[in-house]
This record gives sequence, C-alpha cells and structure tokens, in this order.
Amino acid sequence: NAGVTQTPKFQVLKTGQSMTLQCAQDMNHNSMYWYRQDPGMGLRLIYYSASEGTTDKGEVPNGYNVSRLNKREFSLRLESAAPSQTSVYFCASSDLTGELFFGEGSRLTVL
Amino acid sequence: AQSVTQLDSQVPVFEEAPVELRCNYSSSVSVYLFWYVQYPNQGLQLLLKYLSGSTLVESINGFEAEFNKSQTSFHLRKPSVHISDTAEYFCAVSLFYGQNFVFGPGTRLSVLP
Repeated sequence: NAGVTQTPKFQVLKTGQSMTLQCAQDMNHNSMYWYRQDPGMGLRLIYYSASEGTTDKGEVPNGYNVSRLNKREFSLRLESAAPSQTSVYFCASSDLTGELFFGEGSRLTVL
Repeated sequence: AQSVTQLDSQVPVFEEAPVELRCNYSSSVSVYLFWYVQYPNQGLQLLLKYLSGSTLVESINGFEAEFNKSQTSFHLRKPSVHISDTAEYFCAVSLFYGQNFVFGPGTRLSVLP
C-alpha cells in the first residue's frame, strides 16, 4: 500500500536555486495539502487543493507555488529558495472521513 | 480563526506510568478534533478523532481522549505507557469535515525505562 509518496526525501539547495517537491496519492482522495514542520511550531499549511483544478493559499504561502496536476499529484515549487525555507515538508491527502494521510516527509536545507 | 494550544512541549514519564497530554482549542463554532502521532523520521499518523456522539474516544493501542466543550479541551490520556509510545503527539482541529486542519505545536512524549 503506497498511500502518499513524496520525492525527494532529502535536498540541499543554495540560496536562489529552485526546486519542485513531488507528491502523489493512490487513495482517490479529493483534497491534498502541503505543510511545513518547524521545531516548536507544529505543522503550518502552505497550500491546499480541495479538488482537481483548484488550489488555495494556506497560512504560509509566500515563496511557494503549487500545481494540482491531476487527482493523484500535487507538487510544491520553490522558485528562489531562501534559508528561511529550510524545513521538513509534508504532503497529505484526505477524504470525507476526516482523516489526513501523510507522506514520509522531505527534508530541505537551504544554504 | 481557530487555534490549538499544547502547553507541554515535552513530557518525560516512566514506563507503565499514566500520562496526560493536554490540548486546548479556540473556535467560535463547532470543530472536529484529532490527535496525530509522529514517530521519529516518519510522517504523522491518526491516533484518534472526535467527530460527534460520545465525548470519549479511544484508539486501538490504549490511548483515549475526552472532548470537553465547556473547557474547549481534548486531552489525551493513557493509563500505562510503553517505551514504544515515545513519539511526538499533535492535537488538531478542523472546521469542515476533512478540510482546513489546524495543528498545535506538538508534545514530545519520552517514555523512560
């Protein structure tokens, strides 16, 4: 059972570089999310997509863009990485049972 | 907007002792409540949830949480912890069924032998 799959698991960038985090789910869920996790701050929502073709900003969207490519895939792009974006990023999906299913996370370091 | 407070950032406890992890929320409307657990180097997993009905909810591994509307709390308890319960625990609320989750800062539970 794959569930939610994220790639890459680890990435080191230099300030100003760009990259895309990929996420795919095989549970036929409508809603997908990108969170970042920082020590002592819990998880903060970056962007979410309630259904294919729609995306909305969350609590901390600045510096990020997203694409809901199809029902399965939801990518997060950093156009010009900054040290403040050093974090662990989690993709998640949910259906109407009210449960979030998370990927294993992507650890990003920006130097 | 709703918010979640977890006052204890770290809770050390000896094996087989009871534990309570506190969660308080603020919201002007009814919410759905969740506890998620994160083991080292993993994503979060649902531990238990309150959607409606009985205010006491239980998980399969012995945890329970009680929804208290008057105190806007959803504290997590276990009568006897195991080493394997060592993890970080996050309380979360959502306004809409399956959407718009807000997480607390987390409580790191360390079970000592």
